[in-house]
Order: sequence, then C-alpha cells, then structure tokens
Amino acid sequence: ILNVEQSPQSLHVQEGDSTNFTCSFPSSNFYALHWYRWETAKSPEALFVMTLNGDEKKKGRISATLNTKEGYSYLYIKGSQPEDSATYLCAFNDFGNEKLTFGTGTRLTIIP
Amino acid sequence: DVKVTQSSRYLVKRTGEKVFLECVQDMDHENMFWYRQDPGLGLRLIYFSYDVKMKEKGDIPEGYSVSREKKERFSLILESASTNQTSMYLCASSLGGQGLHNEQFFGPGTRLTVL
Repeated sequence: ILNVEQSPQSLHVQEGDSTNFTCSFPSSNFYALHWYRWETAKSPEALFVMTLNGDEKKKGRISATLNTKEGYSYLYIKGSQPEDSATYLCAFNDFGNEKLTFGTGTRLTIIP
Repeated sequence: DVKVTQSSRYLVKRTGEKVFLECVQDMDHENMFWYRQDPGLGLRLIYFSYDVKMKEKGDIPEGYSVSREKKERFSLILESASTNQTSMYLCASSLGGQGLHNEQFFGPGTRLTVL
C-alpha cells in the first residue's frame, strides 16, 4: 500500500490570511499528483492534476507546486475567504496504475 | 459535465440486512470506484471496475461485493451489514486508459448507518 501523507490534519485560518499545506508521496514510479477540494455536503472536485517535476498550477487564489524528485506538493491559498473552507485531498497516481491513493486530507476552516 | 449520481444520500439499515448502494455515471467512463471515508482515515478503496463485468479488490474489500452489469452502473453490496460498516460511501468514475491522467469524478456520497 502506497503511503500518501498530508499535513497538517486540520487548520484554522483568519479570513484574509494566506496559508499552505503539504502532501508527500512516494518519489518512485510517479505518474500524476491530484488535488481535490471537498466541501461539506458536496462531492470532491478536482482542483489540479500535476504531472511534471517543477509544475506550478494556479486557479484564482489557489496554486500548487510539485517536486517529484523529493516527493512533495504544496497547495497555497492566498487571501483566504470563507468559501475556501473545505477538506483538501491529494491523491498519488503511479505509472501504469489507474487507481489513485488518497491522503487523509487537510481540513481547512476559515474564521470570518 | 460529468455527472455521477448515487441512489441515496442517507441510509439507515439494521445489522444483518443486505444493502445495495447504486452508482450511475453518464459520461461513458471505463473505470468506476467505490470508496469509504472515515474520520482520520481518508478515502479508502473498496473495489473498482475497469470494464463491464470486471472487478478488482481495493484495499478493504472484506464484507463487500460489487456488480457491474452495464457500463454506466456500479453497485456496491453489503451482504450482511455490520455496525463497523457505518460510514460515508463515495462512488467515482474515470475515463480509463490513463485519459485525463486518471482524474476521478465523484458522486455526492451515501452516509450509511448500520444499527
């Protein structure tokens, strides 16, 4: 079983502040790294799919970076808003495998 | 947009009952997955299917079975429900052939309580 770890497990951030959290994954046989956002009472939705070492992706105030050599990815949120409150999941995909291995998630709460 | 639907949002069953959770996707995806999500444990894969009538065990298949008779539908079956199967169950689908780098599209989840 592949080991995908996320930290911190939970986070409370003041509205307007910026924040970031980490996903670590095996550095061998890498194919893709996924970030999902899971809001309460909704389905998890894909934020980013990252495939190349050094990739940086951005969607509005949210961005992510990828280091496949050392096996980590960071997710950044700039100027947090209440609607950013959600659980953020990362998922590792190794080459030749159509399954994803999910981390346990970071539960983010934005304090108004 | 891909749509993945699940038959129930909330379900309450008694110990020993046979339980069916249904999932339907409308984008002709090859792969379908069943997960359960428990606090502190993340999404754990129960079973997945990469084609009609094909299935493979995930990380925690014990106590579950699945059925995929049609491409768009993937059913999770609890043969004899137990209290430790109380959980949130999520269905997902993906294109297959490593298309979209295996991005998965999720249903809204079924919160199952076994009394």
